[in-house]
Amino acid sequence: DIEMTQSPSSLSASLGDRVTIICVSSENVEDKVNWYQQKPGKAPELLIYGASTLHSGVPSRFSGSGFGTDFTLSIRGLARDDVATYFCQQSYSTFRTFGQGTRVELK
Amino acid sequence: VQLEESGPGLVRPSETMSVTCSVSGVSVTSGGFSWAWIRHVPGKGLEWIGKVYKVGVSYTTQSLMSRTTISLDPVRNRFSLEIKSMTAADTGVYYCARDTAVAGDYFDAWGRGILVTVSS
Repeated sequence: DIEMTQSPSSLSASLGDRVTIICVSSENVEDKVNWYQQKPGKAPELLIYGASTLHSGVPSRFSGSGFGTDFTLSIRGLARDDVATYFCQQSYSTFRTFGQGTRVELK
Repeated sequence: VQLEESGPGLVRPSETMSVTCSVSGVSVTSGGFSWAWIRHVPGKGLEWIGKVYKVGVSYTTQSLMSRTTISLDPVRNRFSLEIKSMTAADTGVYYCARDTAVAGDYFDAWGRGILVTVSS
């Protein structure tokens, strides 16, 4: 299976900060990477698909980039509602895999 | 589109877990979709278990392949997950999700999740 390695595993930031989360795949997945946000007790929700396309209804402060093996999720201007865990996921292989998650907290 | 998991919340060690995902708003035989199971084990991230996209055709992650069955029931518009020989390491929240390939490849609809605890 393709491994997705996320960093950091957790971070603490202030309201309004720019936050960056990195995801590295163990092999080339082209642009087949998606990002999800999960809040406690809730199912994950799609934020970004195809590495950089914002899903409908997602605030424009979220953005994604990358191709091949290195991918980034950025939050420009952290809001209180963004406190959550974020996961990357590859859909290049039929056998989907997720990163281990990055927990974002407020400082 | 709505997905809803159902099944027992408690499973004894070594027994078989069976959970079902009822789908409304779309047919499970609609083209462009497959139907997946994902779990969140405490202390770990999300783990893709497997998916089914038509009767008799499913894929399962290698670590669970030997004891997992995923099946599709078009008549009842639902799909199911069965894992044999459950252990405490299988305790977690199990989600069903739609894997869409219509305008990309992603999970665009999820169930609420069902907590399954393995304990005697």
